[in-house]
Amino acid sequence: GENVEQHPSTLSVQEGDSAVIKCTYSDSASNYFPWYKQELGKRPQLIIDIRSNVGEKKDQRIAVTLNKTAKHFSLHITETQPEDSAVYFCAASKGRADSWGKLQFGAGTQVVVTP
Amino acid sequence: NAGVTQTPKFRVLKTGQSMTLLCAQDMNHEYMYWYRQDPGMGLRLIHYSVGEGTTAKGEVPDGYNVSRLKKQNFLLGLESAAPSQTSVYFCASSYGATQYFGPGTRLTVL
Repeated sequence: GENVEQHPSTLSVQEGDSAVIKCTYSDSASNYFPWYKQELGKRPQLIIDIRSNVGEKKDQRIAVTLNKTAKHFSLHITETQPEDSAVYFCAASKGRADSWGKLQFGAGTQVVVTP
Repeated sequence: NAGVTQTPKFRVLKTGQSMTLLCAQDMNHEYMYWYRQDPGMGLRLIHYSVGEGTTAKGEVPDGYNVSRLKKQNFLLGLESAAPSQTSVYFCASSYGATQYFGPGTRLTVL
């Protein structure tokens, strides 16, 4: 089955700097890659996703890149702010946003933004 | 539109006791899931359902049972709780691969 590895497990950044989280996946049939943010004591919430036919997607200060050949994808957060402090999970699926497929999650990255 | 809700929010059980966690969604989603989240281990899939009346095993199904009698509800049961089942349990639902999570249930088994 699919295996998703996520690095680093913890990431400390100064406010205003950029943060990058990297994930690799094992199943070349995976074609949908969402990212979830989980604040302390809260539920995971979708922040951005990308499909396999797209190499990059941006939404304000966050962006995701996908390299299908190397089977890895990354989350980039620019101009980090204290409210970006959370655990971030990557995931991979053979489904799409509009068709079913189980999600295989990475282990998560704890991001701490210090003022 | 409440989204995905879970009851209860917190529960403490003694070893050997049983309980049922309820998940409800009002988004008319076909697919529903139960996860457990333990420190440093991310989200692990316990069971899932691809429609009313159907259930399937996920990554860590042992010690749990589920039922999906109505489309909007997905129940997770622990027949004989063990300390290893102390965790935070999240329910999720989806119409495709994008999942929407409930607020979680924090379960402690003594």
